[in-house]
Amino acid sequence: DVKVTQSSRYLVKRTGEKVFLECVQDMDHENMFWYRQDPGLGLRLIYFSYDVKMKEKGDIPEGYSVSREKKERFSLILESASTNQTSMYLCASSLPGRAGYTFGSGTRLTVV
Amino acid sequence: SQQGEEDPQALSIQEGENATMNCSYKTSINNLQWYRQNSGRGLVHLILIRSNEREKHSGRLRVTLDTSKKSSSLLITASRAADTASYFCATDYGNNRLAFGKGNQVVVIP
Repeated sequence: DVKVTQSSRYLVKRTGEKVFLECVQDMDHENMFWYRQDPGLGLRLIYFSYDVKMKEKGDIPEGYSVSREKKERFSLILESASTNQTSMYLCASSLPGRAGYTFGSGTRLTVV
Repeated sequence: SQQGEEDPQALSIQEGENATMNCSYKTSINNLQWYRQNSGRGLVHLILIRSNEREKHSGRLRVTLDTSKKSSSLLITASRAADTASYFCATDYGNNRLAFGKGNQVVVIP
């Protein structure tokens, strides 16, 4: 069964910390995405990548960066965590031009 | 950015009934997709309908697309308690980037 694995289900970090959220897929997908999900706001795209070492800003990239050194791994970095980054973070992958995204189970991040 | 919008936002039905939810969008799309999310989990892809298709079926799911009205509907027939979830429509507006709606909470009462 194809999988997208997010390293943590729950994470609690302090304000100002640098936070790494890891996402690994085993489907040899070119496309990978990071979304955040907040009540009443739905899913919002933070960053995405169509290839190794390639990244594109989504709709809300401020305060975030990403890294894609290997095809299967896409990391989301919060440079200096703030309380307004408390959210559910969802990673997804897909093949170019093909049907549907495969999502990970999500990481619920709380910044205190 | 373009976003799908689901309607109604919340639906509560008895097991065995049908559940219908709608989605509207604003600009031209390549395809429209529906996803399900169980509480606190990731989204699961249910079905995709392309812009040149009008109707598609998958098991108990039926999706329609009306590009002239920029709207889609998802019908779940003979609902089960396990169908309790949030349902999202997502529009592909190019380069395989999806814009998601805010979601539609469906509760199926046993």
